Amino acid sequence: GQQVMQIPQYQHVQEGEDFTTYCNSSTTLSNIQWYKQRPGGHPVFLIQLVKSGEVKKQKRLTFQFGEAKKNSSLHITATQTTDVGTYFCAEPTRANNLFFGTGTRLTVIP
Amino acid sequence: GAGVSQSPSNKVTEKGKDVELRCDPISGHTALYWYRQSLGQGLEFLIYFQGNSAPDKSGLPSDRFSAERTGGSVSTLTIQRTQQEDSAVYLCASSLVSQALGSYNSPLHFGNGTRLTVT
Repeated sequence: GQQVMQIPQYQHVQEGEDFTTYCNSSTTLSNIQWYKQRPGGHPVFLIQLVKSGEVKKQKRLTFQFGEAKKNSSLHITATQTTDVGTYFCAEPTRANNLFFGTGTRLTVIP
Repeated sequence: GAGVSQSPSNKVTEKGKDVELRCDPISGHTALYWYRQSLGQGLEFLIYFQGNSAPDKSGLPSDRFSAERTGGSVSTLTIQRTQQEDSAVYLCASSLVSQALGSYNSPLHFGNGTRLTVT
């Protein structure tokens, strides 16, 4: 079945350091979505990547989709305490369902 | 307009009792999803409603779990004979379209969830 592997599971960084989370799928994807969940909150959509090798930026966040459309990454430059939370990738099925990765919990130490 | 609304926000129940969790999706959203999230864990898919099609129930963990969506809008997740391992946050989400537009899928909008505690 469909599996969404995400690493690392946890990451602690000093404020100002960079952070990267990786998502690997067992299948070729039509697209991949990224969500952020703040502590105590619900997941909030960040971005969707569709094209092979696509790179998108949102301020300090850079999202990449692999050339083979089987992996993706989220990189945060110069983390801030507001970046704290769990970042999930999510991949669609052919039935348009959405499976979430295991998530990476980011802690930013001031 | 309003976002996805879930009720109750918290539910404490005794083991063996039945519970009903409600989800009001965003108006006009044709797809509705239920996920479960245990403390500090990821999102476990439960069930997915897509327009008028038969729901994808492949994620329901046992036959104690069922869900319906009346009139293509409000959904109710029912857990019968609750067990302690059912304790979790139950999240509902909706999206605008139920069919992919080429390679694009509509993003999910989540409710605040129902925190279920089975004692």
